[in-house]
Amino acid sequence: DAKTTQPNSMESNEEEPVHLPCNHSTISGTDYIHWYRQLPSQGPEYVIHGLTSNVNNRMASLAIAEDRKSSTLILHRATLRDAAVYYCILRGNTDKLIFGTGTRLQVFP
Amino acid sequence: GAVVSQHPSWVICKSGTSVKIECRSLDFQATTMFWYRQFPKQSLMLMATSNEGSKATYEQGVEKDKFLINHASLTLSTLTVTSAHPEDSSFYICSAVSGPRKNTEAFFGQGTRLTVV
Repeated sequence: DAKTTQPNSMESNEEEPVHLPCNHSTISGTDYIHWYRQLPSQGPEYVIHGLTSNVNNRMASLAIAEDRKSSTLILHRATLRDAAVYYCILRGNTDKLIFGTGTRLQVFP
Repeated sequence: GAVVSQHPSWVICKSGTSVKIECRSLDFQATTMFWYRQFPKQSLMLMATSNEGSKATYEQGVEKDKFLINHASLTLSTLTVTSAHPEDSSFYICSAVSGPRKNTEAFFGQGTRLTVV
């Protein structure tokens, strides 16, 4: 499975947009880009996923670079409940979801 | 979204005993389930992949005789930690998927915190 690189941590203020970057320069043409987040002492939660086109859902937006070597998860208005570790994962032809170190997002009131 | 229920949420056991953790998909049929372990301040580490009706596939370095996985139905997988020792204390998390794999979201249980004393 191709590797992703994310910043260890990011900070945001409440009500502000948050852009969480992810680099995946070795992505293959059939890898999907998945994002999950994990709140303290809980199992991960699905956020969004995409292949080539930008995606929107009720939780977030996913912007995928034209060359697919990077993507950005966008939280349009951060809330305190969005404080979590966010994981960017490439999902290819295996069943597996392999988690990297993720980005710890802190949200300040 | 779909619900995956994990039981128990936490368990304390004595060293040398065995502990069984259940993972149920409540409203969908899970063709594949995954088991993860997570130590404090670390990421999730995949332990094994199980498909209904077949033997689990373990990741390198995971002892299959120590961590017994059974996936007897499309809605239930169990992880049994045999002869538990304090170093097995960890947060164990299951995940379930259905349908085409890479274009399918995975659903996670709430995790089981195991403490071996």
